[in-house]
Amino acid sequence: KQEVTQIPAALSVPEGENLVLNCSFTDSAIYNLQWFRQDPGKGLTSLLLIQSSQREQTSGRLNASLDKSSGRSTLYIAASQPGDSATYLCATNRDDKIIFGKGTRLHILP
Amino acid sequence: IAGITQAPTSQILAAGRRMTLRCTQDMRHNAMYWYRQDLGLGLRLIHYSNTAGTTGKGEVPDGYSVSRANTDDFPLTLASAVPSQTSVYFCASTIEDRDNQPQHFGDGTRLSIL
Repeated sequence: KQEVTQIPAALSVPEGENLVLNCSFTDSAIYNLQWFRQDPGKGLTSLLLIQSSQREQTSGRLNASLDKSSGRSTLYIAASQPGDSATYLCATNRDDKIIFGKGTRLHILP
Repeated sequence: IAGITQAPTSQILAAGRRMTLRCTQDMRHNAMYWYRQDLGLGLRLIHYSNTAGTTGKGEVPDGYSVSRANTDDFPLTLASAVPSQTSVYFCASTIEDRDNQPQHFGDGTRLSIL
């Protein structure tokens, strides 16, 4: 059974710093991996999707990498802003099932 | 309507009552999903549908049923609600399952069973 783990559960960093969020998974036979953002009281918004054949994806200040052999993905956020404060979740897609990590709650300090 | 609409936004329900959570999307997506999100447990898949007329069980299907009569609607029914079904429920969709397209989520239904 696929297990997706995100460490740390919570993170606080000063505004302007670059930061990395981590995601690990136990089964590398995935179709893709997604990173989502969730604001309080809201649904999830897809940030980046990395296909199994890809190593990374970029969107603006966000860069996500995927290393299937080691079962790891990272989300890099450059020049963090207070508006980046949210919970970030990763999820793997395998066998018609999407398995989510429990998320990292990010707080950017002004 | 733009994207996924869930209704109601929140509901308080007595145990034993029947409840249907509504989900409608206007993106003509074939695949739709229902998740529940609980503190400490994260998001877990309840049921899914890869196309109209078909449904499948997810990780936690017991106590829930779904139907997919058309492309746009994917209601989730609790036949006899129990307190352990207190949760936030999210509906999601994607163009095709396994098609490497991102999932789109509704804003959720916060359900409390007393």
